[in-house]
Amino acid sequence: AQSVAQPEDQVNVAEGNPLTVKCTYSVSGNPYLFWYVQYPNRGLQFLLKYITGDNLVKGSYGFEAEFNKSQTSFHLKKPSALVSDSALYFCAVRALYNNNDMRFGAGTRLTVKP
Amino acid sequence: DTGVSQNPRHKITKRGQNVTFRCDPISEHNRLYWYRQTLGQGPEFLTYFQNEAQLEKSRLLSDRFSAERPKGSFSTLEIQRTEQGDSAMYLCASSLGPGGENYGYTFGSGTRLTVV
Repeated sequence: AQSVAQPEDQVNVAEGNPLTVKCTYSVSGNPYLFWYVQYPNRGLQFLLKYITGDNLVKGSYGFEAEFNKSQTSFHLKKPSALVSDSALYFCAVRALYNNNDMRFGAGTRLTVKP
Repeated sequence: DTGVSQNPRHKITKRGQNVTFRCDPISEHNRLYWYRQTLGQGPEFLTYFQNEAQLEKSRLLSDRFSAERPKGSFSTLEIQRTEQGDSAMYLCASSLGPGGENYGYTFGSGTRLTVV
């Protein structure tokens, strides 16, 4: 079955600095990869996805992610962090053959300090 | 349509009581998912509906849990004889499928259950 690992429980960056939130995945066949963000007392909000095509995908709020097949990674990035980016970020993977089983990582708490 | 709606937002219940949660998906979405999220973990898949048919259930969904989507619109998740281990955030999501799930799910704000 597919799985996702987010190796960092917590990422701290200063406002204006670039940020990276790491994600690696395991899946049989081609993956569908997603990033979601969760603010306090809110549901998960879709940020971006990779299905096929360019390895660098752009999403909401200036976020982007790079798909690396050889390293089985899908790291989330942003060139310049904002304090308002502080939230919980989840990486998720779904196998192409299984429409109904999306597996989430444990989440990474991003804190952006002014 | 303001997205996926879940009620109640919070539920505190005594151990052994039954609870029921409701999810109203985006109206045109035919697929509906239930997830459970515990503190420090990502959401875990519980069950999935396409229209009114429940097509898949996780092993996490014990026989105390039952979900319905009687008219293919809103869904309910019932937990019977609640246990303290049931305390979690219960998330509902919907998507348009087949194919729409490739573009991500739309999640509700969740129902936080506390069993005391």
